[in-house]
Amino acid sequence: GENVEQHPSTLSVQEGDSAVIKCTYSDSASNYFPWYKQELGKRPQLIIDIRSNVGEKKDQRIAVTLNKTAKHFSLHITETQPEDSAVYFCAATPSGSARQLTFGSGTQLTVLP
Amino acid sequence: KAGVTQTPRYLIKTRGQQVTLSCSPISGHRSVSWYQQTPGQGLQFLFEYFSETQRNKGNFPGRFSGRQFSNSRSEMNVSTLELGDSALYLCASSLKAGGPNEQFFGPGTRLTVL
Repeated sequence: GENVEQHPSTLSVQEGDSAVIKCTYSDSASNYFPWYKQELGKRPQLIIDIRSNVGEKKDQRIAVTLNKTAKHFSLHITETQPEDSAVYFCAATPSGSARQLTFGSGTQLTVLP
Repeated sequence: KAGVTQTPRYLIKTRGQQVTLSCSPISGHRSVSWYQQTPGQGLQFLFEYFSETQRNKGNFPGRFSGRQFSNSRSEMNVSTLELGDSALYLCASSLKAGGPNEQFFGPGTRLTVL
């Protein structure tokens, strides 16, 4: 089955700096890659997603890039703010299972004021 | 639109008991997926239901089961509870069946097994 690895597990940045979180996946047929943000005690919330026919997608301070050949995708957050502090999860959809998400292990992002 | 709702929000059970958790998807959403979240194993897929049929199943023992009703509401059941079943159980709803699409999570049910 699909396997998703996520790095780093913890990341601390100064307010205003950029943060990058990287994920690799194993199933070359995976075609949907969402990113979720989970604040302490709250539900995971979708912040951005990308499909395999697109190489990059941007939404204000957040961007995701996808390299299908290398089977990795990354989340980029620019101009970080304290409210960006949370756990971020990447995920991939195995082939043939459109709504079965395989998640990475999560990255605890801390933005220091 | 109201978001995904789950009941109860917190539950305490003892080993050997069984438990039923409920999930109401966003209005109009017909797919419901269930996930288990633990500090050690992270977020793991349990199963997915669409049109009252189980479409996909994760790698969990048969003690974990679910169902979906005609109004798309879903329940999951865990029988013969073990200490290791303590977790946050999340459900997520999606609009349609074909192709990958966004899943929206509920607040979860925190299950503690003593």
